[in-house]
Amino acid sequence: DAGVTQSPTHLIKTRGQQVTLRCSPISGHKSVSWYQQVLGQGPQFIFQYYEKEERGRGNFPDRFSARQFPNYSSELNVNALLLGDSALYLCASSFLTVSYEQYFGPGTRLTVT
Amino acid sequence: AQRVTQPEKLLSVFKGAPVELKCNYSYSGSPELFWYVQYSRQRLQLLLRHISRESIKGFTADLNKGETSFHLKKPFAQEEDSAMYYCALTLFKEYGNKLVFGAGTILRVKS
Repeated sequence: DAGVTQSPTHLIKTRGQQVTLRCSPISGHKSVSWYQQVLGQGPQFIFQYYEKEERGRGNFPDRFSARQFPNYSSELNVNALLLGDSALYLCASSFLTVSYEQYFGPGTRLTVT
Repeated sequence: AQRVTQPEKLLSVFKGAPVELKCNYSYSGSPELFWYVQYSRQRLQLLLRHISRESIKGFTADLNKGETSFHLKKPFAQEEDSAMYYCALTLFKEYGNKLVFGAGTILRVKS
């Protein structure tokens, strides 16, 4: 198993554009969580999805949205990009909605210019 | 609101010296506490969790509810311990898998 995979590895966008980030969880894992990690800070929770339903949402504006597909993969969408959205976006998966261990992907580095 | 504080951005020690990475949290309930580690060019991974009361790679961490601390300790540092360490908490009953992370501490072990 390759573990949690994320695509793309990195991308550059312009202010005002929209971006979609993708995550494939470990096989059998039904929960996917998204985190934003700004340089010099720890990861900050954005969303959790379990069985295609939103189970938690962090303190992020409505420009951020996500969804989970029947195969448990997930997409994070960010609209109207701001310079401050530049960050590493991490995806984490676990088997249950409540789990003592989450497995993180390598992240997608987003740069907004 | 829940908060995790790691007061040191960088901790530099010599090989064989004891290590203590500090972590304090603020929450009035009973959170679950974790230490995550990120080695160079690797992904974030779980190091240990307080509920397991185990030692991983020689590291231990004791939850002190009175001082709201969860410091990570190792008696003798090794060069391969050099990494970024994050303390995190979660509140399963209220927030599912949501992890609240500290800002992290870089541990550098010098030879």
